[in-house]
Amino acid sequence: EVQLVESGGGLVKPGGSLRLSCAASGFTFSSYSMNWVRQAPGKGLEWVSSISSSSSYIYYADSVKGRFTISRDNAKNSLYLQMNSLRAEDTAVYYCARAPGGGPGWFDPWGQGTLVTVSS
Amino acid sequence: SYVLTQPPSVSVAPGQTARITCGGNNIGSKSVHWYQQKPGQAPVLVVYDDSDRPSGIPERFSGSNSGNTATLTISRVEAGDEADYYCQVWDSSSDHSHVVFGGGTKLTVL
Repeated sequence: EVQLVESGGGLVKPGGSLRLSCAASGFTFSSYSMNWVRQAPGKGLEWVSSISSSSSYIYYADSVKGRFTISRDNAKNSLYLQMNSLRAEDTAVYYCARAPGGGPGWFDPWGQGTLVTVSS
Repeated sequence: SYVLTQPPSVSVAPGQTARITCGGNNIGSKSVHWYQQKPGQAPVLVVYDDSDRPSGIPERFSGSNSGNTATLTISRVEAGDEADYYCQVWDSSSDHSHVVFGGGTKLTVL
């Protein structure tokens, strides 16, 4: 069974940092592009970042560029999101999602998400 | 930047057909993907590449895309279809590339 499990969320003060992880299982992780998508409380989906299978191509939303860094460790079947200079507006549930289509394409499946709260 | 516009809400009676639109400039030239999200749950892919269905998604879910509008059609709507629906594209037309989601449509089954 394909499974994605996020971890690392929590409460952090504005200006602080947090590192999210996504553990993948049930598929050949190194063959797929991966993504982070977030959802603020009561709001819609917002794409955060994408990384290709070999980390050759990386993309960021303008709202996080320069503050967040996506990375992956194919040997550990893991995806990461390093979040620095966090702001209140970064408060959201963060989902990792696989992109089966060979590029950023479509996302399937999604993890259950991890909640990040930025507040003093 | 590229913008996808969805109606905030759509209501339909059980057994009827629901149509959820996603508007974007020349969206017909892009591949559109659709997700269903129920309260407290992660999104689930229901249509990809305009009109393809992942395994396990009922045939009642279908999609189309032409001109400036993509449409998710749900036939014979059931109470369990009540959820938020989001369209999504990959926009590589500007000087940098982004994934774009529509604002979401809440489907209410009357």
